[in-house]
Amino acid sequence: QSALTQPASVSGSPGQSITISCTGTSSDVGGYNYVAWFQQNPGKAPKLMIYEVSNRPPGVPDRFSGSKSGNTASLTISGLQAEDEADYYCSSYTSSTTVVFGGGTKLTVL
Amino acid sequence: QVQLQESGPGLVKPSETLSLTCTVSGGSISNHYWSWIRQPPGKGLEWVGSIHYSGSANHNPSLKSRLTISVDTSKNQFSLNLSSLTAADTAVYFCARGRSMNDYWGQGTLVTVSS
Repeated sequence: QSALTQPASVSGSPGQSITISCTGTSSDVGGYNYVAWFQQNPGKAPKLMIYEVSNRPPGVPDRFSGSKSGNTASLTISGLQAEDEADYYCSSYTSSTTVVFGGGTKLTVL
Repeated sequence: QVQLQESGPGLVKPSETLSLTCTVSGGSISNHYWSWIRQPPGKGLEWVGSIHYSGSANHNPSLKSRLTISVDTSKNQFSLNLSSLTAADTAVYFCARGRSMNDYWGQGTLVTVSS
């Protein structure tokens, strides 16, 4: 199975909004609403930020939002803060009853 | 609060088998999927496999012939066995609750494959 496609890096200034894309196929992202987004800081375990495309777990700020159109899912962070600087990964359930991750995106807050 | 803790060797020789266990505390292993996810140094996350508490498992196709995932509900644990190790299996191995919606994670354990 091929990894989902994410941009290697994105950047933004505090207060701005950024969007990270996650492109798959009709066999994963496009076929199921089981897309999740994770935030990972250096040396730490990933943290679930979004599940089932657009749902936020308790405690995740509403600045984080998720959406999907066709085979591409997106994570948007509005009102960017310095603490948002991290690596972000998407994942999706697949038609083969497996899970696939994206390659990861490094977010830099300028 | 659910907590997960990986345990196992930090160094394994090439061609040997890696055995890792994840112990779940603060909640029952029942009624959930449980996953192994790994991350080679400096690289991205890779799904290894998932198991339902009933014992039904799914594996990454690239690892399937070498991988066994099992669950022991009496001990609130699930385990990973990965055989025929090579240097490419060197990674931090995380255990997590859920199949794609991984809401609780262990801290991860670094496994190095080297002679």
